[in-house]
Amino acid sequence: NAGVTQTPKFRVLKTGQSMTLLCAQDMNHEYMYWYRQDPGMGLRLIHYSVGEGTTAKGEVPDGYNVSRLKKQNFLLGLESAAPSQTSVYFCASITGQGRETQYFGPGTRLLVL
Amino acid sequence: KQEVTQIPAALSVPEGENLVLNCSFTDSAIYNLQWFRQDPGKGLTSLLLIQSSQREQTSGRLNASLDKSSGRSTLYIAASQPGDSATYLCAANDYKLSFGAGTTVTVRA
Repeated sequence: NAGVTQTPKFRVLKTGQSMTLLCAQDMNHEYMYWYRQDPGMGLRLIHYSVGEGTTAKGEVPDGYNVSRLKKQNFLLGLESAAPSQTSVYFCASITGQGRETQYFGPGTRLLVL
Repeated sequence: KQEVTQIPAALSVPEGENLVLNCSFTDSAIYNLQWFRQDPGKGLTSLLLIQSSQREQTSGRLNASLDKSSGRSTLYIAASQPGDSATYLCAANDYKLSFGAGTTVTVRA
């Protein structure tokens, strides 16, 4: 049981490049979330999904797109990376609507030059 | 929009001292309040979860209280150890988590 895994662990991009971050969970969780964490700030919700084939915007969705084609995977895409998207990205998942704790992945560090 | 504030931002104490970390939130309509630990360069580890109907939750040397009506939660860590050095985050859950910026704790040996 690997829990929540994230790929890649670290990436450097040039402004304007695109990339996809992959989050995978093997706990059969319905809900999945993408957050970003910047220095001196708490985690901020980018997008989330309440089930396969569904996605919704969080607090800071601009510049990101997501897809949940399979229940176990939640993809975060950056179509045209900007330096303001330099951050640490965390994925999380949970069984149901949120009366339990979320399980977090180890994070992806992204540097946009 | 839920706003979560943690005070202080940083705390340094000698080993053995008790720690008191504060968290406040603006909207009391929450399912639960959660406390996480984050080590440098790592992900988040869940410490305690207090349901909205509960007043406190305990795990070992950790105790967290919740006063939903006043929008406050406090995390107490008894007899601190150097291994407790980390950043502690609280999050208010109203179907999605809203995080505070965290309190960075240093326990000096």
